[in-house]
Amino acid sequence: DAGITQSPRHKVTETGTPVTLRCHQTENHRYMYWYRQDPGHGLRLIHYSYGVKDTDKGEVSDGYSVSRSKTEDFLLTLESATSSQTSVYFCAISASSGDTEAFFGQGTRLTVV
Amino acid sequence: GENVEQHPSTLSVQEGDSAVIKCTYSDSASNYFPWYKQELGKGPQLIIDIRSNVGEKKDQRIAVTLNKTAKHFSLHITETQPEDSAVYFCAGGGGATNKLIFGTGTLLAVQP
Repeated sequence: DAGITQSPRHKVTETGTPVTLRCHQTENHRYMYWYRQDPGHGLRLIHYSYGVKDTDKGEVSDGYSVSRSKTEDFLLTLESATSSQTSVYFCAISASSGDTEAFFGQGTRLTVV
Repeated sequence: GENVEQHPSTLSVQEGDSAVIKCTYSDSASNYFPWYKQELGKGPQLIIDIRSNVGEKKDQRIAVTLNKTAKHFSLHITETQPEDSAVYFCAGGGGATNKLIFGTGTLLAVQP
């Protein structure tokens, strides 16, 4: 299995609080991604990174920010959590973008109450 | 923007039967089409992929076909087994945005 660790695996938080999810990789892959998975919507890209300090928005980026200060870590922050952000969040990594295998972490189940 | 549509959303088959899942994509520049399997409580894992320079690829009981003219590709699973039960995602990549765009998933249930 690709070395990807997401933390925490489960979290319950209150509306309006900030939340940070962490993705750590040991594969030295250049590209890292954050997806959210919701019933009926599949996997939707939130943000991605193509190198240290290089990030860009995906299709559902509103309300989320990311940071990548080192190759191995990619953080996803919900500045002020809302109930619509209740979801399962997956981190993925790949050696190149869009045309090679992406390896996924185990997911973080986030509930905003 | 780019879009990948996947059908059906749920599929139930008897053990030993074949299962077919179909996807269509909108970006004619896409050239990479992977299929992922997601078991309960886990992240998606690649099971097979195909590139635009071939029309079919097979790996034991799993095969993928690609029709670039019609912009659709399909996953075929033969001799299904209960352990094939999972959610399957198609994706298209290498297109204008150079990112993987996923379909909405198919829940496959193989009845013993």
